[in-house]
Amino acid sequence: QVTLRESGPALVKPTQTLTLTCTFSGFSLSTSGMCVSWIRQPPGKALEWLARIDWDDDKYYSTSLKTRLTISKDTSKNQVVLTMTNMDPVDTATYYCARIQGGSYSPIDYWGQGTLVTVSS
Amino acid sequence: EIVLTQSPGTLSLSPGERATLSCRASQSVSSSYLAWYQQKPGQAPRLLIYGASSRATGIPDRFSGSGSGTDFTLTISRLEPEDFAVYYCQQYGSSRTWTFGQGTKVEIK
Repeated sequence: QVTLRESGPALVKPTQTLTLTCTFSGFSLSTSGMCVSWIRQPPGKALEWLARIDWDDDKYYSTSLKTRLTISKDTSKNQVVLTMTNMDPVDTATYYCARIQGGSYSPIDYWGQGTLVTVSS
Repeated sequence: EIVLTQSPGTLSLSPGERATLSCRASQSVSSSYLAWYQQKPGQAPRLLIYGASSRATGIPDRFSGSGSGTDFTLTISRLEPEDFAVYYCQQYGSSRTWTFGQGTKVEIK
């Protein structure tokens, strides 16, 4: 059974760095073709793809946010970490991690439940 | 970066009616790497369609996808009460950057 769970602070202050952890089970990120992605959704708005890390440690970022994002993995812990620097109130959103099986050219097949991050002083 | 534009923004229909949702890409989506997701309030999205026309596991056959290049369509043949939700298209044909459309809300008329 594949599960993903996001964890991190519910509240961050403007200019701070956000660190989110995705802890997953039911698959291994060392298996060929496995990828984990982060997606966010501001309240009442659309989904926005943020980043992806592949089994071979290739990393991909949103064009508009790539200067602020870093994605990494700890295969032994079944975790993927996303950091986002210089947080702003417009970054208030539910942040999801999700699995992709089959490499870059495959859709998201499992999602975490999401974690709401509010940016406010 | 490929921009996806979904229309209409909101679709007001009655149960039993047919829903047709559109997703238009700013440039051709490679090999029809286009997916559709359903999202209900307070829930994570769920994969419905991938490869433009293949149904994901467990998805009823009233959901169908079609299209290629820059124009894609999700059709729900007969709306069930549980189908009223927001639907997003997503392209994953550009391996370096993925994008989502802005969503279409299917609401009860």
